[in-house]
Amino acid sequence: KAGVTQTPRYLIKTRGQQVTLSCSPISGHRSVSWYQQTPGQGLQFLFEYFSETQRNKGNFPGRFSGRQFSNSRSEMNVSTLELGDSALYLCASSLYVGLDYGYTFGSGTRLTVV
Amino acid sequence: SQQGEEDPQALSIQEGENATMNCSYKTSINNLQWYRQNSGRGLVHLILIRSNEREKHSGRLRVTLDTSKKSSSLLITASRAADTASYFCATDAEYGGATNKLIFGTGTLLAVQP
Repeated sequence: KAGVTQTPRYLIKTRGQQVTLSCSPISGHRSVSWYQQTPGQGLQFLFEYFSETQRNKGNFPGRFSGRQFSNSRSEMNVSTLELGDSALYLCASSLYVGLDYGYTFGSGTRLTVV
Repeated sequence: SQQGEEDPQALSIQEGENATMNCSYKTSINNLQWYRQNSGRGLVHLILIRSNEREKHSGRLRVTLDTSKKSSSLLITASRAADTASYFCATDAEYGGATNKLIFGTGTLLAVQP
């Protein structure tokens, strides 16, 4: 079966612009989580969605937002981009919330802000 | 902030040797997971160990968990060049809760020389 699909794979944006990243979970999975990975801060949790509801949010400014659609696909948006937003953004999907098994990650979107 | 610290930060070994990575975490957990990441791509789930388990095996992987010391170790036996990657431990963020929020350690970069 198809894995977690993230689009686009690479993105270059200018400071001040906004960007939308997309994540399609594994078919049937209802939970999508987003993570930011940078060399300095490592892997940091952004959001968690289940059945179109945000269940949890990490410690990021309000410029970072997300949503989940009825087909479980999720998008995250970053407005007013800053150089420090350059990172690999990863999403993970799982069937439910809180089950004792690992999550499936996409290959990520590499965002570069110039 | 990150839950776990991993040790060592980097490890270089020869093919055929064993590799051991350690992870320490700060709070009570439901389970602890190990992931592999190749060259800044997506994370691949390796193994999950529950808080009531002490040891778990999967192929060439052996994971131990000591909840009294809040630490875990990942042993890769008979390493191969293809094992070259970064390895991360991750714990669930809410003990006893239902969440898909993971808190990752800082990672160990493993290089296996052919």
